[in-house]
Amino acid sequence: ILNVEQSPQSLHVQEGDSTNFTCSFPSSNFYALHWYRWETAKSPEALFVMTLNGDEKKKGRISATLNTKEGYSYLYIKGSQPEDSATYLCAFGGSQGNLIFGKGTKLSVKP
Amino acid sequence: KAGVTQTPRYLIKTRGQQVTLSCSPISGHRSVSWYQQTPGQGLQFLFEYFSETQRNKGNFPGRFSGRQFSNSRSEMNVSTLELGDSALYLCASSLEPGPASPTQYFGPGTRLTVL
Repeated sequence: ILNVEQSPQSLHVQEGDSTNFTCSFPSSNFYALHWYRWETAKSPEALFVMTLNGDEKKKGRISATLNTKEGYSYLYIKGSQPEDSATYLCAFGGSQGNLIFGKGTKLSVKP
Repeated sequence: KAGVTQTPRYLIKTRGQQVTLSCSPISGHRSVSWYQQTPGQGLQFLFEYFSETQRNKGNFPGRFSGRQFSNSRSEMNVSTLELGDSALYLCASSLEPGPASPTQYFGPGTRLTVL
């Protein structure tokens, strides 16, 4: 059974803090690693798709890194803002064909 | 460009009934995937359709079925509903399927409550 683990489950930070989360995934039969942001009462929104070991992606204050050999990805948020409050999901794309999602990290940013 | 739409948004059914949920993908997208989300669980993959064919199926009982039409719209059906089927059902569309997993665009979901 393929497993995708995310840690921590939840995180509470103050506005202006920088933070990071981890996604662990199988290191074999890897094709892609996705990050999504899911705000309450909205649809999950794609942040990044990474396919190569060592990939780094950036979108504003959010960035992500990928290590396919050891099976982990980090998502970083610099200078968190209240609007960053959401659940961040990672998903592993492998030879099984479909995406396998982790349970997410719920981020709360206090003003 | 219109996003992924799902109907209905909310649904209340009783045990033993059946239900059909609908998903219209983004124009031009031919792949549709369905997911179930229950409290404490991540998105659980149900199935994926491409060009009216089921490409992949998750670990769900046969009560869960789906189909895709020639215009790429998709429906999923759950028969003989159980209390445990209460969940948020999300569909997502992408241009095409594949192990490289192109970005999926999600709809707002259908919240199903089984009483």
